[in-house]
Amino acid sequence: AQSVTQPDIHITVSEGASLELRCNYSYGATPYLFWYVQSPGQGLQLLLKYFSGDTLVQGIKGFEAEFKRSQSSFNLRKPSVHWSDAAEYFCAVGPITGGGNKLTFGTGTQLKVEL
Amino acid sequence: EPEVTQTPSHQVTQMGQEVILRCVPISNHLYFYWYRQILGQKVEFLVSFYNNEISEKSEIFDDQFSVERPDGSNFTLKIRSTKLEDSAMYFCASKQGRETEAFFGQGTRLTVV
Repeated sequence: AQSVTQPDIHITVSEGASLELRCNYSYGATPYLFWYVQSPGQGLQLLLKYFSGDTLVQGIKGFEAEFKRSQSSFNLRKPSVHWSDAAEYFCAVGPITGGGNKLTFGTGTQLKVEL
Repeated sequence: EPEVTQTPSHQVTQMGQEVILRCVPISNHLYFYWYRQILGQKVEFLVSFYNNEISEKSEIFDDQFSVERPDGSNFTLKIRSTKLEDSAMYFCASKQGRETEAFFGQGTRLTVV
């Protein structure tokens, strides 16, 4: 069964510092990969996605993620964090074929930004 | 920008009561989903719906749950007899095609008392 691991439950960074959120997945083949962000009381907003092609993908709000097949990872990065980036971040995988293309989510990483 | 809308934003219901959570997916989308997030836990898949039928459902989606697309625009989740453990945030999502991303609504927070 597919699974997603986000090993960091909480991360605190200073505003202006760089950020990397880790995501590892377990899946029989290369899945579709996503990062979503959830601000307090809000829904899930898509930050970026990887379907195929260039393994470094750019997203909204200055975020990027790199797919590393050999490590089964899809880590999210941002060179300089803003206070408004404080939120919960979810990595998700979805199958390329079969079924209803459901997403499997990780447990999330809560990001706190210190001013 | 088109968005998925969910109503109500909050619902409080008594145990054993039926609830219907409503969603209006993005208009040209063909795949529809319900997910839930119990407080402090991860987002879990409930059901996917395509071509007017369920295409996949999770173990959570038992006989107490049903989905419907009654009029070509709304997509509803019904829980027939709510339990305390059904308390969660329920998210509706839709997507245009297989190789596209899913867009999520703001969620309905369901509290069963």
